[in-house]
Formats: sequence, C-alpha cells, structure tokens
Amino acid sequence: EAQVTQNPRYLITVTGKKLTVTCSQNMNHEYMSWYRQDPGLGLRQIYYSMNVEVTDKGDVPEGYKVSRKEKRNFPLILESPSPNQTSLYFCASSLSISRQPQHFGDGTRLSIL
Amino acid sequence: RKEVEQDPGPFNVPEGATVAFNCTYSNSASQSFFWYRQDCRKEPKLLMSVYSSGNEDGRFTAQLNRASQYISLLIRDSKLSDSATYLCVVNMDSAGSYIPTFGRGTSLIVHP
Repeated sequence: EAQVTQNPRYLITVTGKKLTVTCSQNMNHEYMSWYRQDPGLGLRQIYYSMNVEVTDKGDVPEGYKVSRKEKRNFPLILESPSPNQTSLYFCASSLSISRQPQHFGDGTRLSIL
Repeated sequence: RKEVEQDPGPFNVPEGATVAFNCTYSNSASQSFFWYRQDCRKEPKLLMSVYSSGNEDGRFTAQLNRASQYISLLIRDSKLSDSATYLCVVNMDSAGSYIPTFGRGTSLIVHP
C-alpha cells in the first residue's frame, strides 16, 4: 500500500531533550516536506527536499533540522526542543511538486514541556 | 500578505444543500491547484486536483479562473459526512521552484 509513515504518532517530552521524528515513503517520490499545524495558523512548511541530498528552508525552519540521505526517508530533528514547538506535525511527499499533489502522513503530535 | 486566502467559515448547511467555497491566490505564475479535505486532528487528504477546464468527481466540482486568480469547490447534495475543513493548495512558481502554499481552510458543517 502506498503510504507516508511517520513515527512516533504522539510524543511528550521536555525542553532541551533532542528528538527525531521519522518519515518514510514507499512511492519513490522525489519531493518530501515537513509541516506544522497550529490553531488559527494553518499548515506552515518547515523544510522541504527536492531530492536526495537537496534540502531547503520553508516558512518556519528555526529550531529544526532535516536530512535526506535516502530517497524514502526524511527525518525531522529538534536539537533542543522548546515549548513553542508543541504542535501537530505532518510529513508529506509528492512525485513532482510542480504538477502533482502531496500525500500526507498520519501526523505526529508533539508536546514539549 | 497571505498568498492564498480562504473564507474560514464555518459554513453551516442542511443535508442536501449545495455549497461553494472560493480560494484566491496572489501568484499569477502558479502552476497547479488542489483541494484537500481535513478532518479534525487528522491528516489532509487529497479531494481533487483542479484543472483549467474544470473537473467533476461525483458531487464535487472544481473550477479554476486564472484571469481572476481563484479556484472554487462546489459540493452538491451535501452529506453529514462532508463536514470537515477544506484546504485549497496552490503550487506557486518561485524562481523555478514550486512552493506549495496552503490556505487556512474553510470549515463546513452539514446538519440534519
């Protein structure tokens, strides 16, 4: 089944404790992206990747890192999480972002205390 | 300046009603357009792509007006299960890259 898989689905952690949210897609998509969604603000792009080893900042990259060493994986890293990074996070992928829609993972709900 | 604008609603309609949403975008070089549906606390799911000639999928019709820079979604014969937030997405040309830009969504509530 074609899908985007995020892990974990839920995480409660404390300020400053490094964490990684994994994202994997099995559709051989070139484009992958991370979003956060907050009430009243909609979906905001954090980082995106056009292909392996090609990543770029989205609208709200501060406090986040990403890597794209393999086509299927695009982890999101919070080196020193802070409470303002408490949010609902979505990973998405697309065959070709110029023409094709994105497919979203189920989401990761992060709470930083 | 928000590049993709939607009326947040909520649109509160009875079952069987026809309802329409619009979404305006600012970048005339925008390349592709989509409507997504999002249920509370769930991931956005693609509802339909929007083509220049307009397209229909069952009770749903999407249209694109490039001259006026808006897309629309029409839902006929609304069902209770249509209650959700509808997001428009515009993939905008940004110096050769395409940046997907989301509207903040329009909330639809269909009541008995």
